[in-house]
Amino acid sequence: EADIYQTPRYLVIGTGKKITLECSQTMGHDKMYWYQQDPGMELHLIHYSYGVNSTEKGDLSSESTVSRIRTEHFPLTLESARPSHTSQYLCASTASRRTYEQYFGPGTRLTVT
Amino acid sequence: GQNIDQPTEMTATEGAIVQINCTYQTSGFNGLFWYQQHAGEAPTFLSYNVLDGLEEKGRFSSFLSRSKGYSYLLLKELQMKDSASYLCAVRDEGGADGLTFGKGTHLIIQP
Repeated sequence: EADIYQTPRYLVIGTGKKITLECSQTMGHDKMYWYQQDPGMELHLIHYSYGVNSTEKGDLSSESTVSRIRTEHFPLTLESARPSHTSQYLCASTASRRTYEQYFGPGTRLTVT
Repeated sequence: GQNIDQPTEMTATEGAIVQINCTYQTSGFNGLFWYQQHAGEAPTFLSYNVLDGLEEKGRFSSFLSRSKGYSYLLLKELQMKDSASYLCAVRDEGGADGLTFGKGTHLIIQP
């Protein structure tokens, strides 16, 4: 059982608010990822990190930002939420060896009204 | 870039066998994954192929042909709980190990 956590699980918020989606893993994985998934659609990589103080943008352009100050923590922030940000956000992590399996957190379903 | 194609939806009968195909066109390739995702839940890892051939794990098997850009996931002795979306994903050659996902195949199991 993978130990990767996301909070909140569900969030409904008004336009213009600043929000932070939390992601933590206790497996000591150095690589972490954020994916965005609209209903019935594929997952798109929006951010990733090789390790502490490393952050990179993914394939899908996103107005969100991330930080990686501690190995286990990889929060995602939206400075000013808009309805177009309504989606599911999935956090994942992997170790830099073996099969590179990515373990996913339960996701945060965000609705911006 | 990556382009991954898989059928949108398939239907199968409990106890039967189903094969879900995936084709990909990629600028780089460093492994192919299959994930299972139940509605509203996170994807869970099923299999990983980096070399040509068949990988078997219980009721699930996955096959890869790199020259054809083709993979399939084979599910045997289908159970009702196998109703889910099955995601094909390709890992690129970059150091980040980020995955590019297909849209997923929604598998419906009928009694």
